[in-house]
Amino acid sequence: DTGVSQDPRHKITKRGQNVTFRCDPISEHNRLYWYRQTLGQGPEFLTYFQNEAQLEKSRLLSDRFSAERPKGSFSTLEIQRTEQGDSAMYLCASSLGQGLGNTEAFFGQGTRLTVV
Amino acid sequence: GNSVTQMEGPVTLSEEAFLTINCTYTATGYPSLFWYVQYPGEGLQLLLKATKADDKGSNKGFEATYRKETTSFHLEKGSVQVSDSAVYFCASPPGTGGFKTIFGAGTRLFVKA
Repeated sequence: DTGVSQDPRHKITKRGQNVTFRCDPISEHNRLYWYRQTLGQGPEFLTYFQNEAQLEKSRLLSDRFSAERPKGSFSTLEIQRTEQGDSAMYLCASSLGQGLGNTEAFFGQGTRLTVV
Repeated sequence: GNSVTQMEGPVTLSEEAFLTINCTYTATGYPSLFWYVQYPGEGLQLLLKATKADDKGSNKGFEATYRKETTSFHLEKGSVQVSDSAVYFCASPPGTGGFKTIFGAGTRLFVKA
């Protein structure tokens, strides 16, 4: 296992279409995070899983966004009815932690979404 | 909630110059503090971290000291190289009340030969 992997690396879609991204975390990591990064900004938190449970969602995650981690391993992020404002880099990260430990997150290379 | 503020960029330096990128934080409790680096076309990588007050994190010639009294975690390097050109993010996971890491807006560094 060489790290967090995301697929695809790039996605161009037409406005109104649905897209789905996949993230494979580091295998022993129980925590998985999705972030969104726009040009010139730091990553913004979207949602967090501990094992298969989605424990926290940002207000940035509108009802067009849904994330799953069905078996506590890989995760998918789906965006329905995409809008141009959804164009961004979507980052996945994973970490190993118990309780409220301050453990570092390991990031994938991201999926760059362009909505035209 | 937690927040992280870092100096705006871009920062442009000549090779071998001294680098400081300022970062201040607000947090509940005393969380760990991180610096991440993002090289062009790549994902974020952890550069260094400090887990408690007065700790100094260091890696690849970069250093940052966790200063509780000034709530700061400034990144420094004595002599930058062209290969250090990247975007640097100060980050803090919450000490209490959640699990997400909060990132600053990032500071882009250009190092000229």
